[in-house]
Amino acid sequence: NAGVTQTPKFRVLKTGQSMTLLCAQDMNHEYMYWYRQDPGMGLRLIHYSVGEGTTAKGEVPDGYNVSRLKKQNFLLGLESAAPSQTSVYFCASSLPRKHRLDEKLFFGSGTQLSVL
Amino acid sequence: GQSLEQPSEVTAVEGAIVQINCTYQTSGFYGLSWYQQHDGGAPTFLSYNGLDGLEETGRFSSFLSRSDSYGYLLLQELQMKDSASYFCAVRGRAAGNKLTFGGGTRVLVKP
Repeated sequence: NAGVTQTPKFRVLKTGQSMTLLCAQDMNHEYMYWYRQDPGMGLRLIHYSVGEGTTAKGEVPDGYNVSRLKKQNFLLGLESAAPSQTSVYFCASSLPRKHRLDEKLFFGSGTQLSVL
Repeated sequence: GQSLEQPSEVTAVEGAIVQINCTYQTSGFYGLSWYQQHDGGAPTFLSYNGLDGLEETGRFSSFLSRSDSYGYLLLQELQMKDSASYFCAVRGRAAGNKLTFGGGTRVLVKP
């Protein structure tokens, strides 16, 4: 039982390059999220999904796209990377909010992305 | 929108008690959560308060006052391994029921 797995763990891009971050969870969670974390700041929600085939914008969606073709996978894409997208990216998953314990988000180990 | 305020840093010695305060602004408040994050690690869930009062989980307790838009995380019997950043997070209708995180409080435990 691996929980939430993110790949890759590190990546360096040049401005204008594209890439996809992969998030996989094996807990059969309905909800999945992509956050970014910048130094000294909290986590900011980029996009999220409440189920297979559905996605929605979060707090800072510009420059990113996502897809949830399978329940267990949530992909984050950068079509044309910019230095402002240098950050640590975290994927998370949770159950639907039917119970107080569903407030618990399970996070992956993060991806350190540098855009030069 | 939603916003949260928490202190940026707290230093304490082993065995001491630390209280991390969190004030929030939102509409349609659902609850307040706390997460711990060690340097280079992933955030991990600590606690959730949906109703007023104290929730205790071992050495850690979390408190919520909905009328004051205020909560705190209490770390007791501090250990070196408690050195980490602690984030409060609020869920409310103001942000479409999505979780908004505070900027985090870095706790440094000294011997």
